[in-house]
Order: sequence, then C-alpha cells, then structure tokens
Amino acid sequence: EVQLLESGGGLVQPGGSLRLSCAASGFTFSTYPMSWVRQAPGKGLEWVSAISASAYSTYYADSVKGRFTISRDNSKNTLYLQLNGLRDEDTAIYYCARSPPSGGYFEYWGQGTLVTVSS
Amino acid sequence: EIVLTQSPATLSLSPGEGATLSCRASQSVSSYLAWYQQRPGQAPRLLIYDASNRATGIPARFSGSGSGTDFTLTISSLEPEDFAVYYCQQRSNWPRTFGQGTKVEIK
Repeated sequence: EVQLLESGGGLVQPGGSLRLSCAASGFTFSTYPMSWVRQAPGKGLEWVSAISASAYSTYYADSVKGRFTISRDNSKNTLYLQLNGLRDEDTAIYYCARSPPSGGYFEYWGQGTLVTVSS
Repeated sequence: EIVLTQSPATLSLSPGEGATLSCRASQSVSSYLAWYQQRPGQAPRLLIYDASNRATGIPARFSGSGSGTDFTLTISSLEPEDFAVYYCQQRSNWPRTFGQGTKVEIK
C-alpha cells in the first residue's frame, strides 16, 4: 500500500523558515517523480514544486521560486521542502504527492501538514 | 501560465441525478487534463487522467471527455459520497495549474 506521511509543519513568524518532510512507503520511491501541492484555508489547490525521480530536475511555482527548495533522499525514501522567507500567504496545508513515472498528475497524496505563518 | 476555468462554481443536485462539470483551458492542453475529488477534511483523490482515463479504483459512474481547451467530467448518478469539490488540473505545461473548483452540493 502506498503511504505518504508529511511532517514538519507548524507556526512560524513572517520571514522564518521550516523544513517539511514526506516519508514514503509501499513503493519504489526512487522511480517516481514527486511534488508538493498546497491549499490555503478555504481555498483551492496550488501546485508548489516538483522533482524528478533522480532529483536531476526541479520545478517551482513563481510564487515560491527563490524561497522554497525541493529535494529528496532516495536512500531514506523521503521528500523534503525547505521553506525560507515565509509570508502570510504561504499559510496552507502542504501535501506531498506521487506522480506516475511519466509525470504530471498526482496519483497518491499524503494527508498534509499545516503551515501557519503569523506574528 | 495556463489558466483553467471551471463552471459552475456550485452545482446543487439530488442523489441519483447526473452531474456535468466543465473545465476550460486558456490554451490547448491536448488531452493532458486530470480531475480530482476532494471531500471535506480529506486529501484530493485522482479520478480521471489524460482527459478520459479512470484512475485505479474509480467507479464507472465517473467519466471524462474533451480535448484541446474544453473538458467535461460527468457523474452519471450521484451517490451520497460524491458530494464534494472537484478540481481539474493540466500537465501540458509548467507550472502545473488547477482550476478553482466546482462544489457539488446536496439540493
């Protein structure tokens, strides 16, 4: 069974940093592209960042480019998102999601971790 | 960036009725469009990928159609668990983008 378990969310002041983790199990992690998708309270879904299976390629939404960094450790079956320079508008539930090998869609999702940016 | 516009924003229907949800892209996405369902308090679930392919375990009452810029998600007969928010998403270009969602509510 595919499982994705996010952690690392919490309350942080504007300008602060957090590192989110997503522990994967039930599949060969190193062969699947992964993404982060977020959802602000009461709002829709926003794709944030993606990384290829080998970590060779990374992609970012303009809203987070230069502030967030996606990475993965295939030996630990874990996906990361480093959040720096946090703003009020980054407050959201952050989901990690697995894409099929061809990429593009989000076929499995974690339950999410809440990031709250507030002074 | 490709903008996806979903309509209507809200659909009020009764169990057993059919539902038709629309997603329009600001430029062609070929058939690279997916649909997701999100129930309250839950993560989204992939329903349809590449416009018309049901994801694993998705009931046959869900179907997708369309190509280019106009897409439709059809639910043939609403079950109680189908009342939720539905999002479309394109994988044609970076950045990946979602529509703003259509809420299917009980009438």
